[in-house]
Amino acid sequence: GESVGLHLPTLSVQEGDNSIINCAYSNSASDYFIWYKQESGKGPQFIIDIRSNMDKRQGQRVTVLLNKTVKHLSLQIAATQPGDSAVYFCAENYWGNFNKFYFGSGTKLNVKP
Amino acid sequence: GAVVSQHPSWVICKSGTSVKIECRSLDFQATTMFWYRQFPKQSLMLMATSNEGSKATYEQGVEKDKFLINHASLTLSTLTVTSAHPEDSSFYICSASLRTGDSNQPQHFGDGTRLSIL
Repeated sequence: GESVGLHLPTLSVQEGDNSIINCAYSNSASDYFIWYKQESGKGPQFIIDIRSNMDKRQGQRVTVLLNKTVKHLSLQIAATQPGDSAVYFCAENYWGNFNKFYFGSGTKLNVKP
Repeated sequence: GAVVSQHPSWVICKSGTSVKIECRSLDFQATTMFWYRQFPKQSLMLMATSNEGSKATYEQGVEKDKFLINHASLTLSTLTVTSAHPEDSSFYICSASLRTGDSNQPQHFGDGTRLSIL
C-alpha cells in the first residue's frame, strides 16, 4: 500500500562526496522499483529503476541496490553536485497491479558547496 | 520522449468553485493515466487511475464525487475538483505510462498543479 511521511528526513552532504539515500518498502510482492527526483514545484523525474531479479543496477553517477530479504532499497549518487539537491522518492509496483505505484516518504538531499 | 504536460500550473479560486486540471501526453498515447495529490513536505498519494473510455478507479478514501476524472482520449485526462474548499488546497500531479495493461513500466509525470482555495 502507499506510504505517506509526516515530514521529510534530510541528508546533507558536501559537494563532491558520495550520497546514499535509503528506502524501506512495504509490500513483499513488489517486483519493480523506481527512484524519482523531485525539485521544488515540479513533478517527479525518473532517475533509475530496478526489477526484483536484480540486486544492483548502475546508471550515470547513480547506483540502485535492492535487498529483497529485508525489503530495502538504496540510491547511491557519486560525486554529488549542487544540482542533485532535491527530494528523492522510491516507488514500488508489482506485476498485475495495473502499473500503479506507491511512493515512499522521501528524503531531502541538501548539497553544500 | 514521454512528455506529460499539465495545465494550469497554478490556480487560485474562491471556495465553492469547481476547478478543472488537464493532463496531456504530448508525444505518446496513454491508455492509462494516474492522479496524485501531494501536501507540503510529504509524499505523493495516489488518488485514482484514469482509464481511457471507462470509469476511473479510485483509491480507498478518495471521494469520486469530489474528484471527477474524465479520460476521453488517448492523450488527455482531466481532474475536476468539484465545489472546492480550503482543505482541497494541494499540489495535484498526473502521470502516464507508455504501455498499459502491463505492470513494471515507469510512470512519466507532469509538473503538477498548485491549487489554492480561498
